[in-house]
Amino acid sequence: DTGVSQDPRHKITKRGQNVTFRCDPISEHNRLYWYRQTLGQGPEFLTYFQNEAQLEKSRLLSDRFSAERPKGSFSTLEIQRTEQGDSAMYLCASSYSGDRLEQYFGPGTRLTVT
Amino acid sequence: DQQVKQNSPSLSVQEGRISILNCDYTNSMFDYFLWYKKYPAEGPTFLISISSIKDKNEDGRFTVFLNKSAKHLSLHIVPSQPGDSAVYFCAARISNFGNEKLTFGTGTRLTIIP
Repeated sequence: DTGVSQDPRHKITKRGQNVTFRCDPISEHNRLYWYRQTLGQGPEFLTYFQNEAQLEKSRLLSDRFSAERPKGSFSTLEIQRTEQGDSAMYLCASSYSGDRLEQYFGPGTRLTVT
Repeated sequence: DQQVKQNSPSLSVQEGRISILNCDYTNSMFDYFLWYKKYPAEGPTFLISISSIKDKNEDGRFTVFLNKSAKHLSLHIVPSQPGDSAVYFCAARISNFGNEKLTFGTGTRLTIIP
């Protein structure tokens, strides 16, 4: 397994358009997290899945944001009606609810809204 | 409210010397702490972690120290190498057998001078 992968790596979109990002976690990991990182800040938690169930959403996740994890494998994060303030790096991380407690991050998707 | 703080945005250290990165936290519920390293255009890479029941954890050139009474932790890198130049994030979480989201600091950019 090569780790967490994310697609696309970069996305430039015009304000008002919808965008969708994909995350493929490490195969045996049942927990999946989405974070957002803006310039000069650390990653901030957006949402969490255990298997296919979305169990927590941050207040940062407005109603324009939706995330899914069908069948408990890959996950998608969709942003509708993008705004310039959505420009950020969107990071996905996965972990296993066993003894290993660390989260492993993907390379991120950099979104630029013009 | 910044619950995890890294007050030094940058640090420069001579190659071969010790690098010390500091982190403070305010939430006494945090019981697990992690350090991540981030290169440009990549996601954070897990480096080392420590449980709140310990005060030191060592892995090769990397040692993390935890002072619970002061709510302070530090990462020591010795000897520092040019490949250590990166942004280092301190992260903390509350273990609850469910959503173990990470709360990150703002990062410290470490530059190793050859």
